[in-house]
Amino acid sequence: DVKVTQSSRYLVKRTGEKVFLECVQDMDHENMFWYRQDPGLGLRLIYFSYDVKMKEKGDIPEGYSVSREKKERFSLILESASTNQTSMYLCASSPRTSGPTDTQYFGPGTRLTVL
Amino acid sequence: AQKITQTQPGMFVQEKEAVTLDCTYDTSDPSYGLFWYKQPSSGEMIFLIYQGSYDQQNATEGRYSLNFQKARKSANLVISASQLGDSAMYFCAMREGGYNKLIFGAGTRLAVHP
Repeated sequence: DVKVTQSSRYLVKRTGEKVFLECVQDMDHENMFWYRQDPGLGLRLIYFSYDVKMKEKGDIPEGYSVSREKKERFSLILESASTNQTSMYLCASSPRTSGPTDTQYFGPGTRLTVL
Repeated sequence: AQKITQTQPGMFVQEKEAVTLDCTYDTSDPSYGLFWYKQPSSGEMIFLIYQGSYDQQNATEGRYSLNFQKARKSANLVISASQLGDSAMYFCAMREGGYNKLIFGAGTRLAVHP
């Protein structure tokens, strides 16, 4: 079974703090993704990575950066947390191929609150 | 631009009855994939079913089936014989371009009543 883990289920930070969200997958997937989920908006892609040290902006990259130094690990960084970044953050991974079963596999999510 | 629309913010159904969750999509790509995910209150996203744009038959997985109407650009999820454990958020998604990127709809919250 594919396993995607995230470092925290719940996180509370203060405005202006630097925040790291970690994601690890154990299926040797090439692609990894970070989303944020807000009520009524579904999941929106922040960044994705298709290989080590490679990254691409998603739909809402402002205020975020990412790091992928190893294939299995993809980190999301909030350089200076703000209250409007309070949200649920979901990490996912997928293989490089795009066949019928090559879907994304998700971690359990991190609910981040910025005070 | 590619887009997914789920027009039902919330739905409820009686246990053991069938329910249809709506999804329409918009794309100019001839090749695409459509997915449904379930998100229980615990938060994890669970893959349910997939339909490819060139698939001739509607996808089925156990109690889940996908009513794919290509000309109408709709990909509705049908859950038969609803169970209490089906209460969750349901998201429709479309695979966009390369890298297995997905774009998601806003979701539908389903409540199954006993």
